Amino acid sequence: NAGVTQTPKFQVLKTGQSMTLQCAQDMNHEYMSWYRQDPGMGLRLIHYSVGAGITDQGEVPNGYNVSRSTTEDFPLRLLSAAPSQTSVYFCASSYSTGQAFFGQGTRLTVV
Amino acid sequence: DQQVKQNSPSLSVQEGRISILNCDYTNSMFDYFLWYKKYPAEGPTFLISISSIKDKNEDGRFTVFLNKSAKHLSLHIVPSQPGDSAVYFCAASESRSYGKLTFGQGTILTVHP
Repeated sequence: NAGVTQTPKFQVLKTGQSMTLQCAQDMNHEYMSWYRQDPGMGLRLIHYSVGAGITDQGEVPNGYNVSRSTTEDFPLRLLSAAPSQTSVYFCASSYSTGQAFFGQGTRLTVV
Repeated sequence: DQQVKQNSPSLSVQEGRISILNCDYTNSMFDYFLWYKKYPAEGPTFLISISSIKDKNEDGRFTVFLNKSAKHLSLHIVPSQPGDSAVYFCAASESRSYGKLTFGQGTILTVHP
């Protein structure tokens, strides 16, 4: 039972580069979300989805795009990486009960 | 505008004693509260939750208390064990927006043998 799988685990980007963080879940959860964790700030919601084809912005969406073409996958795209996007990114999935299951995280450094 | 606050960045406790972690919130629309535990280089793992229709929920050594009038919740760990040493996050959501969690800043718990 894989749960929530994130790839890659680590990534270094140059300013201006683009990339996609992958997230897949095998629990048939309807809700999927992306968070970033920065020191002293807890986890902040970037984007979330309540089902395939439906996405919405969270607290800190600027500079990020998402799409949800299937129930299982919810990729996060950085269009033009900036040093301020250096962070640890977590993907999560849940049923409507609210308890979210998190992936292991992707540590991204933008230089 | 921090809607969920954990005002204690760290807490140090002796093994076998009680650990009490606190959390305050400002958004009166929050009606579901969760505690997550996080070890370094891992994702947060769910610990315990409570709905706003209750004021207490217990699961083994972990108990969460909710005081709606004060907009305050706390997590009690009894007895504390060295393996409980981790970062603890309080989170909240509105029942109409599941999948959207608002987190506190986290409290680093250290349990000394």
